[in-house]
Amino acid sequence: QSVLTQPPSVSGAPGQRVTISCTGSSSDIGAGYDVHWYQQFPGTAPKLLIYDNSNRPSGVPDRFSGSKSGTSASLAISGLQAEDEADYYCQSFDSRLSGLGVFGGGTKLTVL
Amino acid sequence: EVQLVQSGAEVKKPGESLKISCKGSAYTFTSCWIAWVRQMPGKGLEWMGIIYPGDSETRYSPSFQGQVTISADKSISTAYLQWSSLRVSDTAIYYCARLKYSNAAFDSWGQGTLITVSS
Repeated sequence: QSVLTQPPSVSGAPGQRVTISCTGSSSDIGAGYDVHWYQQFPGTAPKLLIYDNSNRPSGVPDRFSGSKSGTSASLAISGLQAEDEADYYCQSFDSRLSGLGVFGGGTKLTVL
Repeated sequence: EVQLVQSGAEVKKPGESLKISCKGSAYTFTSCWIAWVRQMPGKGLEWMGIIYPGDSETRYSPSFQGQVTISADKSISTAYLQWSSLRVSDTAIYYCARLKYSNAAFDSWGQGTLITVSS
């Protein structure tokens, strides 16, 4: 069972906006650690999508945005496109693990 | 362009030993952390541990402490993940990834190494 909780799946039609939640606790996200998000297509390595809660690496479309509040974080995808269909993972750090990292269980995004 | 290139897929029997590698290029290998991440078939990502090649400081997630060994050879910009006695349950894809500091994001990933352990 993952330390960070994500919905197993979300879906949306092309053009719509979807959000993926990442719920933690006072030992991880709530302890002030940053949250990062990754996108993974089948058979490929994950790719950094959002870092430090809300920042996009170069090349990531501005349709992707991240936020953090309290013990939770969210990834929003607007203007949904078929190519966005992938698995999404949040990641933060856990003070109970001396600051080592933890992942969410992952969310499968289906574009209808 | 930063690159992490991992060694190829392996098929091993239970009880055998194994060491896989991750070679970094186009950045100062000794100035960033390298992490290892496991992904079991059809499952999510799991943080195994990290190493700072500059001084070989290593930290393990409790689930993996004592199960694997993480090391690095800074002279050839390569990090390693090794097992002394593989189990069927070690079957997974293993990724290395770079972090600029110990609680940063993974900003660059290796292509993954598939390890299959079967009798």
